[in-house]
Amino acid sequence: QKEVEQDPGPLSVPEGAIVSLNCTYSNSAFQYFMWYRQYSRKGPELLMYTYSSGNKEDGRFTAQVDKSSKYISLFIRDSQPSDSATYLCAFSPTGFQKLVFGTGTRLLVSP
Amino acid sequence: EAEVAQSPRYKITEKSQAVAFWCDPISGHATLYWYRQILGQGPELLVQFQDESVVDDSQLPKDRFSAERLKGVDSTLKIQPAELGDSAMYLCASSFDSSNTEAFFGQGTRLTVV
Repeated sequence: QKEVEQDPGPLSVPEGAIVSLNCTYSNSAFQYFMWYRQYSRKGPELLMYTYSSGNKEDGRFTAQVDKSSKYISLFIRDSQPSDSATYLCAFSPTGFQKLVFGTGTRLLVSP
Repeated sequence: EAEVAQSPRYKITEKSQAVAFWCDPISGHATLYWYRQILGQGPELLVQFQDESVVDDSQLPKDRFSAERLKGVDSTLKIQPAELGDSAMYLCASSFDSSNTEAFFGQGTRLTVV
């Protein structure tokens, strides 16, 4: 079993749609849960991170962590064409060290 | 805005040749990471530095890869000899320290081994 599972997509949605991106993980030691956005030919940039369980909201983005199910989600409301990118989930037991990334989900938002 | 600088952006090399990548972290950042991202996969940590010391190189293929950060500022990652399977994006990231501070990524060096 892989430590992190993430559907590679691509996920195609129309502008304005609500997008749901998900990852599952198997390592119970993970306490930090991150979402990165990566545009083509660029490095990843941190969107949100959560420590332990719960929800976190930042503008159009909401991150959810369900440690009991080992499942995390990122929701994007009112999606825009500029949101078209690859979204990577990442996990760590110790903050930003030893990040374990998912494969990334490619999102395409059409006008 | 401060950013992590990497060069070159693109590199094509023949297999069995040596290749080197350079990273200049954000000023004042003590922790530096090198990641490798194979096309269609997420980044994988190769090595972590705290100042000039290697903290974690457990995933670095030491028979052909080496990394150094001699003065605790910029860093070089070297591959010798390069193999076809080394084709990937090599990403450098830095953070203020090694605890809970965000790691910022550079734009990466895209390596193609032919």
